[in-house]
Amino acid sequence: AQTVTQSQPEMSVQEAETVTLSCTYDTSESDYYLFWYKQPPSRQMILVIRQEAYKQQNATENRFSVNFQKAAKSFSLKISDSQLGDAAMYFCAYAISNFGNEKLTFGTGTRLTIIP
Amino acid sequence: GAGVSQSPRYKVTKRGQDVTLRCDPISSHATLYWYQQALGQGPEFLTYFNYEAQPDKSGLPSDRFSAERPEGSISTLTIQRTEQRDSAMYRCASSRGMNTEAFFGQGTRLTVV
Repeated sequence: AQTVTQSQPEMSVQEAETVTLSCTYDTSESDYYLFWYKQPPSRQMILVIRQEAYKQQNATENRFSVNFQKAAKSFSLKISDSQLGDAAMYFCAYAISNFGNEKLTFGTGTRLTIIP
Repeated sequence: GAGVSQSPRYKVTKRGQDVTLRCDPISSHATLYWYQQALGQGPEFLTYFNYEAQPDKSGLPSDRFSAERPEGSISTLTIQRTEQRDSAMYRCASSRGMNTEAFFGQGTRLTVV
């Protein structure tokens, strides 16, 4: 079974600084997807960034980027120039590549606090 | 619709009662998922649909839980004889399929008293 581990229950960062959230996963599959989702206080689930395992290039989305290490099964999220609106719970997630089924396996989350 | 819509947003029910939660996915999205999220945890997969077919219901915790999507659009999740441990946020998500992005609804917060 696939598992996703987020070892940092809580993180904090000064506004405008950079923070990295860690995620590791366990799978025997070679083709899969990895995601970071943001859950603000409103409890909505918002996709932040997505990485296909077959792509060697790390995904980036404005101030958000990932460090994908396939051999180490590591998928960390870097947030640059942190803003107050980045305060949220962040979930790392994994999905097997399978037609019509992107069943997500989530980690337990990291609560990110932004210090003004 | 413009987004995934779930109703009700909040539901309080007495132990032993049946509840039905509704999900209205984004129009034309073929795939629909149900997740359960306990407080302080990440969402956990319950089941999914491709149109009206339900290929995987491996995450349903017991036979008290069932889901339907009879016409391949709106879906319902029914919990029979609710128990306190069923208290959680129930999230629906939909996608076009073919490994495309899943969009989540706001969720239904279920409290069993």
